[in-house]
Amino acid sequence: DGGITQSPKYLFRKEGQNVTLSCEQNLNHDAMYWYRQDPGQGLRLIYYSQIVNDFQKGDIAEGYSVSREKKESFPLTVTSAQKNPTAFYLCASSIGEMETQYFGPGTRLLVL
Amino acid sequence: KNEVEQSPQNLTAQEGEFITINCSYSVGISALHWLQQHPGGGIVSLFMLSSGKKKHGRLIATINIQEKHSSLHITASHPRDSAVYICAVPTFGGSQGNLIFGKGTKLSVKP
Repeated sequence: DGGITQSPKYLFRKEGQNVTLSCEQNLNHDAMYWYRQDPGQGLRLIYYSQIVNDFQKGDIAEGYSVSREKKESFPLTVTSAQKNPTAFYLCASSIGEMETQYFGPGTRLLVL
Repeated sequence: KNEVEQSPQNLTAQEGEFITINCSYSVGISALHWLQQHPGGGIVSLFMLSSGKKKHGRLIATINIQEKHSSLHITASHPRDSAVYICAVPTFGGSQGNLIFGKGTKLSVKP
């Protein structure tokens, strides 16, 4: 079945550690997105990519990095520079700009 | 930058009731999205609309471009409709990659 997968479902990070969240889609979508969700707040865009080997910063990109080497994959790295990483992270994809976005199941990141 | 307001923040209903969730935004848009987030966190896109009305099963979404307002209606509500409903619009002059999301309306439907 086509869809978006995110792994792991839960991730624990130690202080000063970088962690990478996986996002894979087999929908043949060009555009992919990373969002962060905090309690009581709307989703906020971290990074997005409209095509392979290209990506743009969203509203809260500081402390995060991404790569888009393959169409199917858009991993997000939470670096040690992100001082408040505890949140629910959602990946999404769409056929192209201005199209419906399809979301993955999310990864919950906790800091130890 | 576009601003999105949803109301109510929380909504409790009895099974079978007609539900209305509202979304207002501040800047003209090309399309508005309604999303549903289940208790486990997964999000499903319900509608993307730029004018008029769309219907899918018991869900109806309407938009009034002049008034910068959209509503999501659920007819004959059921406990399985319990979820957080989120509306989203593009940032002013922005692309799809720059959606602004409302904080969501948490709906609980009691049997």
